[in-house]
Amino acid sequence: DAKTTQPPSMDCAEGRAANLPCNHSTISGNEYVYWYRQIHSQGPQYIIHGLKNNETNEMASLIITEDRKSSTLILPHATLRDTAVYYCIVRVYGANSKLTFGKGITLSVRP
Amino acid sequence: EAGVTQFPSHSVIEKGQTVTLRCDPISGHDNLYWYRRVMGKEIKFLLHFVKESKQDESGMPNNRFLAERTGGTYSTLKVQPAELEDSGVYFCASSLPGGGAEAFFGQGTRLTVV
Repeated sequence: DAKTTQPPSMDCAEGRAANLPCNHSTISGNEYVYWYRQIHSQGPQYIIHGLKNNETNEMASLIITEDRKSSTLILPHATLRDTAVYYCIVRVYGANSKLTFGKGITLSVRP
Repeated sequence: EAGVTQFPSHSVIEKGQTVTLRCDPISGHDNLYWYRRVMGKEIKFLLHFVKESKQDESGMPNNRFLAERTGGTYSTLKVQPAELEDSGVYFCASSLPGGGAEAFFGQGTRLTVV
């Protein structure tokens, strides 16, 4: 079972920041937080991952709370193409272990 | 560089028939995973290869499913005989060796058993 909980859906206006929350209160010390997304009918796409420090790449930023029990994925300037289901996943780093997908959060970007 | 490629993209078969799905991972990716999503459900893990060896097959639903990765390159997933509940989208993913590498997914094979 997934160790994360996410709201079922949210929306935001195009061009604005989208902040997607995730709770992972039972995360272990050796588990990282990963984010993937699935755009309609495509395979899941990796976005970002982190352990405890904030991370940023060309796609998004990941903010992890100090106690690591929750995190927020930030898409700084959402576009219509960012409409997708976003999955927050915790995974043991170093084991190449499976990804356990939950229900994810459906982000709808409106014009 | 080519991504993860899956064949066929769609397959419609009758109950009781056999279907073989193929996955070509990204070159150099030792890790290969199979996942599937059945209608209305979450994406579920099926199994994980490291090169040609099965590292974790805990998600395989039953013995009608057989996965192989001969030579550690492409992989096949055979369903024999297919049942109605096998319908869904089957995803393949691959990743580099080494801990925590991101997994790259293919576009999936949509299997419909009628």
